Amino acid sequence: KAGVTQTPRYLIKTRGQQVTLSCSPISGHRSVSWYQQTPGQGLQFLFEYFSETQRNKGNFPGRFSGRQFSNSRSEMNVSTLELGDSALYLCASSLARQGASSGANVLTFGAGSRLTVL
Amino acid sequence: QQQVKQSPQSLIVQKGGISIINCAYENTAFDYFPWYQQFPGKGPALLIAIRPDVSEKKEGRFTISFNKSAKQFSLHIMDSQPGDSATYFCAASMRRGGSNYKLTFGKGTLLTVNP
Repeated sequence: KAGVTQTPRYLIKTRGQQVTLSCSPISGHRSVSWYQQTPGQGLQFLFEYFSETQRNKGNFPGRFSGRQFSNSRSEMNVSTLELGDSALYLCASSLARQGASSGANVLTFGAGSRLTVL
Repeated sequence: QQQVKQSPQSLIVQKGGISIINCAYENTAFDYFPWYQQFPGKGPALLIAIRPDVSEKKEGRFTISFNKSAKQFSLHIMDSQPGDSATYFCAASMRRGGSNYKLTFGKGTLLTVNP
């Protein structure tokens, strides 16, 4: 069973540019979440999508956006890049069974997309 | 506001020793407490998790101890091995609006197990 696939794995951009990252969840997983990982702030929640709808959003500026497609694949976009956006962006997928108790749906993370902003 | 505080930042243990990582949380609405293990170049992987109605959970060499009244939980790694060298993150989440998946993570502990 294939895991969570994130592309690209590495990319370098310059300030002011925009970037789109892609995430293919595990087959059958309907929920996709995105996290930003930096040495200073650690892992921070960006947003979560389920059935093409954003269900939860973290405390990031509007430059960070995302979407989910009907096949559960997800993309996130960062516009007007800043130096502080340099980070490892992690995608995680989950089955998201209806009515499941908290924690019953385990998050499986991809290896991440490492973004460097120059 | 950091809702999950993790300590220590780094930990060095000899092979065969016990590694202990502690976390404290503030939000009493949290109802799921997982631990993740991350190796360099990889994403975090779920190690073990606990819910607040249980005080301890053991899976192999890994044990979570949970103290609801103190709002603290810890990870114990028994018989630590060099292969356990990784960064460990505690996390917490709550069921809200039908979603369980907004994990709040601690800052991480870099564990080094010397042979």
